[in-house]
Amino acid sequence: AQSVTQPDIHITVSEGASLELRCNYSYGATPYLFWYVQSPGQGLQLLLKYFSGDTLVQGIKGFEAEFKRSQSSFNLRKPSVHWSDAAEYFCGSRDDKIIFGKGTRLHILP
Amino acid sequence: DGGITQSPKYLFRKEGQNVTLSCEQNLNHDAMYWYRQDPGQGLRLIYYSQIVNDFQKGDIAEGYSVSREKKESFPLTVTSAQKNPTAFYLCASSIGQGLATNEKLFFGSGTQLSVL
Repeated sequence: AQSVTQPDIHITVSEGASLELRCNYSYGATPYLFWYVQSPGQGLQLLLKYFSGDTLVQGIKGFEAEFKRSQSSFNLRKPSVHWSDAAEYFCGSRDDKIIFGKGTRLHILP
Repeated sequence: DGGITQSPKYLFRKEGQNVTLSCEQNLNHDAMYWYRQDPGQGLRLIYYSQIVNDFQKGDIAEGYSVSREKKESFPLTVTSAQKNPTAFYLCASSIGQGLATNEKLFFGSGTQLSVL
């Protein structure tokens, strides 16, 4: 069955540090994967998506994600976080329906 | 401007009452979705519709009902059978038609439902 797992409920990093948010998927065919961000008081915004082609995907706001079929992962990365990156991040996949993981809340230390 | 509109922003339900959440889109999208958001639970899929007059249950459909009589509208009814309805409800739409390369969910601003 289609499923998405985000193992980390909360992540805290210092401003300027690098970031990696984990996402694992369960899927039978070629997955369609994406990351959304939900900032406090704001709606959900698409950061990036992967359907096919280059397994390293560049998104908005300096984020990137790498699709690794051997690990069933689609981890989100950013080399240097900013205080404005504090938000909740959702990994998702699409088959006949679009589902999401439980989310990872990112906290930034000054 | 094209977009997806949810109303009302806040809704209160009395015990035993059915309430309906509105979702309208003018993006000419085929697919529409309803998600429920609870703290620590992420976005859970309630119902989805890939085309007019057709819809499928998501992962937590019990206690909810939907209709898709028009392409632009996908209302969600929270019935009295839903014993824990307090949550933030998000409606979304996408171009659908299996065009995954163009797939992107457009979200509404949400409805916060609370029980009196």
